[in-house]
Amino acid sequence: RKEVEQDPGPFNVPEGATVAFNCTYSNSASQSFFWYRQDCRKEPKLLMSVYSSGNEDGRFTAQLNRASQYISLLIRDSKLSDSATYLCVVMTTDSWGKFQFGAGTQVVVTP
Amino acid sequence: DTAVSQTPKYLVTQMGNDKSIKCEQNLGHDTMYWYKQDSKKFLKIMFSYNNKELIINETVPNRFSPKSPDKAHLNLHINSLELGDSAVYFCASSRRAMGEAFFGQGTRLTVV
Repeated sequence: RKEVEQDPGPFNVPEGATVAFNCTYSNSASQSFFWYRQDCRKEPKLLMSVYSSGNEDGRFTAQLNRASQYISLLIRDSKLSDSATYLCVVMTTDSWGKFQFGAGTQVVVTP
Repeated sequence: DTAVSQTPKYLVTQMGNDKSIKCEQNLGHDTMYWYKQDSKKFLKIMFSYNNKELIINETVPNRFSPKSPDKAHLNLHINSLELGDSAVYFCASSRRAMGEAFFGQGTRLTVV
């Protein structure tokens, strides 16, 4: 089983709609969680860190569910520019410096 | 003013050659990384250095040798390149080994 799993998608989303997707992790010792965004042929860029209480950054909301070992990302009022691959990243306390990436969820926002 | 810069951006070379990729960060971070992204787009860590010391060395062939002359630089040297080495290699850095990482623009290596 992969340490970090994501639905690859693609999630085809009409402009203005809401889309949400999850990422599951296998190591219960995981302590740090992030969502990154990667555009085609570009480097991954930090979208947001995920905090235990959940957090929001504009149209983006991230949640952490430790009991079920998943994190989620919700995008409201989708824009065409939100089209990208969203990478879930997890780090465990016994492997500092080792970011575990999921394979990514592709989101395609259509006009 | 690029925070994490790596060179070259593209590298096309023949099998058996030796090549190097350079990475520099001007963020004052103490931890640097090399990641490989294969054709399936999966990002996998190769090496991690903290204050010039190797802290992570995944099961990477010993043809790959990282070198960190100082904490702002982490270079990757690859000997005897093979077709399977073709991928995008990303350098990254973070403030500490537990903070969010910032990535360079990637080096697209093609071995022919």
